[in-house]
Amino acid sequence: AQKVTQAQTEISVVEKEDVTLDCVYETRDTTYYLFWYKQPPSGELVFLIRRNSFDEQNEISGRYSWNFQKSTSSFNFTITASQVVDSAVYFCALSPGNTGGFKTIFGAGTRLFVKA
Amino acid sequence: GAGVSQSPSNKVTEKGKDVELRCDPISGHTALYWYRQSLGQGLEFLIYFQGNSAPDKSGLPSDRFSAERTGGSVSTLTIQRTQQEDSAVYLCASSRLGRLDSPLHFGNGTRLTVT
Repeated sequence: AQKVTQAQTEISVVEKEDVTLDCVYETRDTTYYLFWYKQPPSGELVFLIRRNSFDEQNEISGRYSWNFQKSTSSFNFTITASQVVDSAVYFCALSPGNTGGFKTIFGAGTRLFVKA
Repeated sequence: GAGVSQSPSNKVTEKGKDVELRCDPISGHTALYWYRQSLGQGLEFLIYFQGNSAPDKSGLPSDRFSAERTGGSVSTLTIQRTQQEDSAVYLCASSRLGRLDSPLHFGNGTRLTVT
């Protein structure tokens, strides 16, 4: 089965706190791609990052960092020193490379509230 | 415009009526996707186009749903005999190459309410 699980439905933090959004995926494919998207209150989903299954190197972009671990099938997203503008729904997504057809499979999303 | 454009942004219809939702992808993007987002849910895949053909229609929930794409550009998603469970936000996305590693560029969606 191809599946993405984001167990955290909602998270609420105070500005400047660090927060980690969890993502666990399932796939039988050996080649696959993982993504994070952000959906701010305005509604339009915005691409944040892509990872392929052969590259487990973690990535940092400003206050954002991603931890990809194949051993635990996880692709977690950490925001350091959160800001109010980070308030949004964040989606983790999986594109299976062999058996999943052409679809990208999305998790249910985690709604992040950052309070001033 | 530079992004994916969807119309209408909101649609309220009575149960049993047909509706058409339109998507204008980013110019030059060969791949086009339709997803459905219900309240508090993730994104449910509906259909994928590469050019004008639809190699993956596996997500269409019933034969009341159909989609077409003409000229490798604009796509319309049609829902016939709408039901209340069809109420959702319908999102369109495009990507330049239609490869699995290509990120998707989304429109703002059409919020459909069936009364």
